[in-house]
Order: sequence, then structure tokens, then C-alpha cells
Amino acid sequence: GNSVTQMEGPVTLSEEAFLTINCTYTATGYPSLFWYVQYPGEGLQLLLKATKADDKGSNKGFEATYRKETTSFHLEKGSVQVSDSAVYFCAPNSGNTPLVFGKGTRLSVIA
Amino acid sequence: DSGVTQTPKHLITATGQRVTLRCSPRSGDLSVYWYQQSLDQGLQFLIQYYNGEERAKGNILERFSAQQFPDLHSELNLSSLELGDSALYFCASSPRDRRGLYGYTFGSGTRLTVV
Repeated sequence: GNSVTQMEGPVTLSEEAFLTINCTYTATGYPSLFWYVQYPGEGLQLLLKATKADDKGSNKGFEATYRKETTSFHLEKGSVQVSDSAVYFCAPNSGNTPLVFGKGTRLSVIA
Repeated sequence: DSGVTQTPKHLITATGQRVTLRCSPRSGDLSVYWYQQSLDQGLQFLIQYYNGEERAKGNILERFSAQQFPDLHSELNLSSLELGDSALYFCASSPRDRRGLYGYTFGSGTRLTVV
């Protein structure tokens, strides 16, 4: 089945710092790759996705590039804000099996 | 509003009791997934239904069961509750998606506290 490895954190950054959250995955077939975000007290929201190799997903200043050769999908943002404080989940989606999530990476951004 | 509705938002019950969590998927979505989120275990997949039929099972205890009704809403039944069942329970839905191109839409969850 599919699985994902990402640092759990917490990752603590100052406002306007550069963010990288690493994600490596194992998956059956040729998965699409997703990043979800969970703000405090809420459910998961789809942040961005990429459906084929070398595609870059982007949203709200976040970016991630589908690297098939290294089975990675690292999340980056050039300048984080306090409002980005949340838990971030990486997930490969093969379509024929339910999404499997890790424990996520908790990000805290301080002013 | 994500389009996935979960009720109730909060539930407090005693050990040994039985509760039912309800989920209405986003309009047009045929698949419903249930997940349990606890601090120590992260987000665990429990069970999936597709158009009324069970499609996949994850780490779901025998004390737990679920079903999807003809109108596509789903219910998760938790019985003989234990303190360790205290967690956030999320429902998610997705359209028919054999290739995994679409993500899931999550509800805001039901927080279950067993005392």
C-alpha cells in the first residue's frame, strides 16, 4: 500500500522565513500527490496537488514539485505568515486505495 | 463550508455507551471515507463506502461499524466505548476517481469524548 514519510515537527519559524517541509512517499502505480492543511479546530483542506512527474502544484504562496525519480513532493513557501500556522499532511493518491496520511507536520509561525 | 456536513460537532458520552456519527457528502460525490484522528496515532483510515457498498477497510475495530444509505449519507456507529476511543472523527468524500486525480473534501469533524 501507499505510505508517506514527513517530519513531524513542530517546526517553528519567524514570520517571513522560508519554509520547507519534506515529504517522501511510496505508492503503487503512478499516484497523484497532494498536500493538505489542517488549521486549528478544523478539518483537512486540500492545499495543492500535482498529477504527473515534474508538475508543480501551487496555492496561497505554497509550492511543491512532483519528483518521480526521488519519490518526493516537498512543500515550500518563500515567506510564511502567522496565519500559516497549521498541520500539513502529504498524501499520495493512487485512486484505487484510500488516502493514507502520516502524522503530519505541525508548523508554528511566530511574529 | 466544504460541502461535507458532519453531525454532531461534539459528543460526550460514558464508557460502554454507543454513539452514531453522521456524514452527508458533498453533492455528487459517491465515495465516503471515515478517519479517526488522535494525538498519538495521527490520522487513521477506518472505512470507505462507494455508492452504498463497502469498498475498503482500514484499522477499524470490531466495535465500530458503518453504512452508507441510498441518499449517500453515511453513519459511523461506535459501541462499547472506551476511554481510548476519544478522538476526532472525520468524514471525507470524493467523486468517482479511479486515477486518483481528485482530492478528498473533508468535513469539520466530530469530537468524541468518552468519560
